[in-house]
Amino acid sequence: DTAVSQTPKYLVTQMGNDKSIKCEQNLGHDTMYWYKQDSKKFLKIMFSYNNKELIINETVPNRFSPKSPDKAHLNLHINSLELGDSAVYFCASSQDRAPLVTDTQYFGPGTRLTVL
Amino acid sequence: AQKVTQAQTEISVVEKEDVTLDCVYETRDTTYYLFWYKQPPSGELVFLIRRNSFDEQNEISGRYSWNFQKSTSSFNFTITASQVVDSAVYFCALSDRPGGGYQKVTFGIGTKLQVIP
Repeated sequence: DTAVSQTPKYLVTQMGNDKSIKCEQNLGHDTMYWYKQDSKKFLKIMFSYNNKELIINETVPNRFSPKSPDKAHLNLHINSLELGDSAVYFCASSQDRAPLVTDTQYFGPGTRLTVL
Repeated sequence: AQKVTQAQTEISVVEKEDVTLDCVYETRDTTYYLFWYKQPPSGELVFLIRRNSFDEQNEISGRYSWNFQKSTSSFNFTITASQVVDSAVYFCALSDRPGGGYQKVTFGIGTKLQVIP
């Protein structure tokens, strides 16, 4: 069983379209994340949700809107796609049990988004 | 502010050589965690190690070893007797809780390791 799964794995679309990437984790974790990895391999956090509540929202255009229907899912919706949105998007989850405990983040396989 | 510096962007070694990947971090928190992840050419991110700030003991796992030194804010990663399968991008990451809130993870830019047969 895959611990953190993302769909689709590849997404090719035209500029201006709206698209969604789905993420699901079956680890029972409380916290989920979205990361963007650009063409230079730089990994940057975009959002983090803990028990369906948004806790980290980095400087990301408001065309990006995360949605967490339950703590096992964190979907990423992107409106009006731009060329610069082309990247690999990784979902991750961690337990994040207590204020002074930081648990390992487990990553999904990534979604390669190409905007034409 | 949190920061992770991996000064080596690319390293090439010949198979069976030892190689050390450097990681230097900055944080204001006294409690924090450090990680190494491997990203092979296939693209997935593979967890290698987690170390908390109170545990400076070095760790060895097979051909992999990690040297954590708080005095120099470094968490270096050594691969002994490198193999072609070790070719990947390696990320060092820092997790802390800015302002005592929820954890935030900051990644370094990664070091691309190429092991030449």
